[in-house]
Amino acid sequence: DSGVTQTPKHLITATGQRVTLRCSPRSGDLSVYWYQQSLDQGLQFLIQYYNGEERAKGNILERFSAQQFPDLHSELNLSSLELGDSALYFCASSRGGLDADTQYFGPGTRLTVL
Amino acid sequence: QKEVEQDPGPLSVPEGAIVSLNCTYSNSAFQYFMWYRQYSRKGPELLMYTYSSGNKEDGRFTAQVDKSSKYISLFIRDSQPSDSATYLCATFSGGYQKVTFGTGTKLQVIP
Repeated sequence: DSGVTQTPKHLITATGQRVTLRCSPRSGDLSVYWYQQSLDQGLQFLIQYYNGEERAKGNILERFSAQQFPDLHSELNLSSLELGDSALYFCASSRGGLDADTQYFGPGTRLTVL
Repeated sequence: QKEVEQDPGPLSVPEGAIVSLNCTYSNSAFQYFMWYRQYSRKGPELLMYTYSSGNKEDGRFTAQVDKSSKYISLFIRDSQPSDSATYLCATFSGGYQKVTFGTGTKLQVIP
């Protein structure tokens, strides 16, 4: 158990809908990272937050947004969902803002868009 | 061209074999190299973390980095069925740079 929690575990929704994925980092970790993993693309970095502020952005679509709250939990919002958004979404956390810190991954949320 | 290339496998080996997993990368600025293990439907778990070139050993696992050829390897000695998983290499240049992952190699160790 990495100490990172993610809810829900599974999510099934329809195209055009909006969903929110939630992540709680390990105790004491200030950075949260979001990744998308699909069969053909592997693990893709979406976005990083450090202590409430956006720190780095990867291949995140405009339909997706995230935030980190004062209690350091984070939410990833996915809107206008398309079939291609079906994937595993992972959250990871680390102590500080540097990527040199070890990232610990949560169990993931499996999103299925029908 | 992807920044990190990894053979997706699957790679099947008998129990007790030495396993060699490899990645190549294109960005010479990459300085930090990691190997993650991911069991089916689980989050990736950090196995090895190295900086710059050289070898690092941890139990049955050895990570090797050759920056001159932009080649990173993970060796697993005395492989066990419990090693059956997907192995992801990852790298970044340092500072606030994003980590780039390979697509993963699926390993199956046959009892």
